[in-house]
Amino acid sequence: EPEVTQTPSHQVTQMGQEVILRCVPISNHLYFYWYRQILGQKVEFLVSFYNNEISEKSEIFDDQFSVERPDGSNFTLKIRSTKLEDSAMYFCASSDSEEQETQYFGPGTRLLVL
Amino acid sequence: AQRVTQPEKLLSVFKGAPVELKCNYSYSGSPELFWYVQYSRQRLQLLLRHISRESIKGFTADLNKGETSFHLKKPFAQEEDSAMYYCALSGSTSSASKIIFGSGTRLSIRP
Repeated sequence: EPEVTQTPSHQVTQMGQEVILRCVPISNHLYFYWYRQILGQKVEFLVSFYNNEISEKSEIFDDQFSVERPDGSNFTLKIRSTKLEDSAMYFCASSDSEEQETQYFGPGTRLLVL
Repeated sequence: AQRVTQPEKLLSVFKGAPVELKCNYSYSGSPELFWYVQYSRQRLQLLLRHISRESIKGFTADLNKGETSFHLKKPFAQEEDSAMYYCALSGSTSSASKIIFGSGTRLSIRP
């Protein structure tokens, strides 16, 4: 069964550094999402992406964040200048056009900003 | 405001006992309601959605619009049901629907 994959599984970075989190959505899916979960808190929506543009973004998704689909398979989340409070688990998800509301999640990338 | 509330952080029941995980929501409109489950060291996965009206792994959930609730139930708990359960709703004005999650309930089944 096809799955969403994410790399790396863990990343440690210094405050102020740029990080790129990578996701490979399920191949025939057209809708892509990023969520994050700070330790001990709920899973929060960051951004949705469709037709090569952002569909919706949350208040969390400020100018430090960007998303890109650089080729036909990858979907990336870039944090330009990381802050301590960016430490979290970041989940990618994708869904298809037939059942858009059913999102399939990746295993997550645990980001630690020191 | 769109919100999902799960009042219990932890629910511990004995194997074979009934389980009910509570969920209430706030949404202006007609949301899609879901239950997601995360087993230890595994990814978030969809357990069931209200429009399917199906039973998955013995779990059911009924949408009660009057009480704005979507409680998850199982008549006889099994040890393999131990996991983190998230109630969620989908609703968005954009073309791609975001999911709003509750804070989750950790279900622990005692042997």
